[in-house]
Parts: sequence; C-alpha cells; structure tokens
Amino acid sequence: DAGITQSPRHKVTETGTPVTLRCHQTENHRYMYWYRQDPGHGLRLIHYSYGVKDTDKGEVSDGYSVSRSKTEDFLLTLESATSSQTSVYFCAISATSVSYNEQFFGPGTRLTVL
Amino acid sequence: TQLLEQSPQFLSIQEGENLTVYCNSSSVFSSLQWYRQEPGEGPVLLVTVVTGGEVKKLKRLTFQFGDARKDSSLHITAAQPGDTGLYLCAGARNQGGKLIFGQGTELSVKP
Repeated sequence: DAGITQSPRHKVTETGTPVTLRCHQTENHRYMYWYRQDPGHGLRLIHYSYGVKDTDKGEVSDGYSVSRSKTEDFLLTLESATSSQTSVYFCAISATSVSYNEQFFGPGTRLTVL
Repeated sequence: TQLLEQSPQFLSIQEGENLTVYCNSSSVFSSLQWYRQEPGEGPVLLVTVVTGGEVKKLKRLTFQFGDARKDSSLHITAAQPGDTGLYLCAGARNQGGKLIFGQGTELSVKP
C-alpha cells in the first residue's frame, strides 16, 4: 500500500469555524490532490499540487485553500466552514502527471459541518 | 457539468450473474481508468486503458475502451459477493494528471 495518511479521519464542526485537513505521504511523489466525494457526484477535484509551493485550482475550489510547504504534506483549509462542505475528503498522490499514471488514495476524512 | 456519465448508478444482482457497467462521455480522453472503492476506504485502481478499442482482462473482469476514446465498459462474469463495492471510472486529458470521475456504480452481489 502507498504510504498516505489523512488526519483527522473524522471531524464534526460548526458553521463558520476554520478547518484544516492534513495529507501526509511517505512516497516522495511530486503530485498531490484533494478531492471531495458526495453521493451522485463521484469524486470532484478541489485543488492539486505539482510541487512544493506549486498549487492550482480544481473544479470545486470555491471556499477552499491549500498549502504545500514540504513534499510530504498537503493541507486543505476551509476558512469558514459551511454545511455544503459536509463531505468525505480524499487525498491522492501520483509520481508523474502522465495521463495513465495511477493515483493512490488515502483513507479519507469524513467532515460534518453543523 | 458531469463529463463522464456512469450507468447504472445502482445494481443489485445474485451471485453467478453477469453484469456490465458503462462510462460515457462526449469528450475524448487520453486514457480511462477504473477504480474500485470499499466502504470507509479510498479508491484503488483496477485498470488503465489507453488505446482506442483496447480490451483488458483482470480475472473475471473485462474492461474495454471505445474506439473513439469517449466511452468505456466494465463487464463482470459470474459475479461473486466479494465484487460488492463502488466502481468508478475516471478519464484523463493530459492536463497535469488531473482525473475526471464518473458518479460511480454501487454494486451489490447477494449470495
């Protein structure tokens, strides 16, 4: 199994509070991704990183920011959580950006915003 | 806008039956991946198809990429309870490794 951990695994928070989710990898892969998974939508890309301090937006980036100060860590921040951000969040990594390259996924973080 | 449409979204069958899951798009993809996800875990890659018309087999699972690289199918022969899970197709478009996922097909195989 690829070495990817996510923390916390579960979190319940209130509307308006800031939340930070952490993804940590031990594979030294260059590319890292944050997705959210909701029923009927599959996985949707929030933000991704193609190197330290190099990040870009995905298809559902509004309300989210990311940071990557080290190769192994990719942080996802909800500045002011809303109920629409209740979801399961997955981090993924890949070694290259080649289109057929496998992405390895972490175990997910279940976030509930009340 | 959902660029990849998966069907059916839910499928409940008896052990031993055959089934096919479809993944369709109006867009061309450079490759198409199929993932399987179990409850409480992240998706795990099953196969990647790259060439139009390509067919790949993984034991009882057969994957096909459409000739125009706009669609794909997953066929399972003689399904078993261990095949139960969420199946996701994902298309890549040569843009920094980003994947576009279908909505998923939730498969339940009853003994």
